[in-house]
Amino acid sequence: GAVVSQHPSRVICKSGTSVKIECRSLDFQATTMFWYRQFPKQSLMLMATSNEGSKATYEQGVEKDKFLINHASLTLSTLTVTSAHPEDSSFYICSAALAGGPGELFFGEGSRLTVL
Amino acid sequence: DAKTTQPPSMDCAEGRAANLPCNHSTISGNEYVYWYRQIHSQGPQYIIHGLKNNETNEMASLIITEDRKSSTLILPHATLRDTAVYYCIVRVAASFGNEKLTFGTGTRLTIIP
Repeated sequence: GAVVSQHPSRVICKSGTSVKIECRSLDFQATTMFWYRQFPKQSLMLMATSNEGSKATYEQGVEKDKFLINHASLTLSTLTVTSAHPEDSSFYICSAALAGGPGELFFGEGSRLTVL
Repeated sequence: DAKTTQPPSMDCAEGRAANLPCNHSTISGNEYVYWYRQIHSQGPQYIIHGLKNNETNEMASLIITEDRKSSTLILPHATLRDTAVYYCIVRVAASFGNEKLTFGTGTRLTIIP
């Protein structure tokens, strides 16, 4: 099956710094990628939809200036958490859809962010 | 997308069949039933999906009632590696430009040795 890779898998940063998480589709092209956030013992919550070459679409309540999303190519989307605070500590998961394909989603392994 | 209801947790003995129920009484005619699972600290993994006929693949079987208001995911011979949170999602068929998934709370399945 199609492989989606995230990097880093774990990151610890100080409060006030910015952290970038990468999401790559390794063996397919993805026109659309999705970013989810998951707090402990909770379900996945969709944050935004990332479209290659255009601005991301954010879900209600998600600050677009805080969570910067860039989808510069058909195989790479990045999520930057700007001025991170402890409440941003979470498990961030990306998923990608096969460009022009049947629309099934493939998920990355997730990135655990801890803000001290 | 239609709302689903799942039990919050279930236990199953290793080697036995695990039967995970899902209620989706408001499902529409063009909506499919999808199942994903999430092993601790990993991304979700696709298991199976179906419209109205029962489906089987190498991972599981999906039984959908005739009125389509509920379904059951069956893991025929559960192993310890099947311990995970299982999500039942009802949505229109995945198609280009319509891939977004909305996750509910799921069922936490624990396989007991």
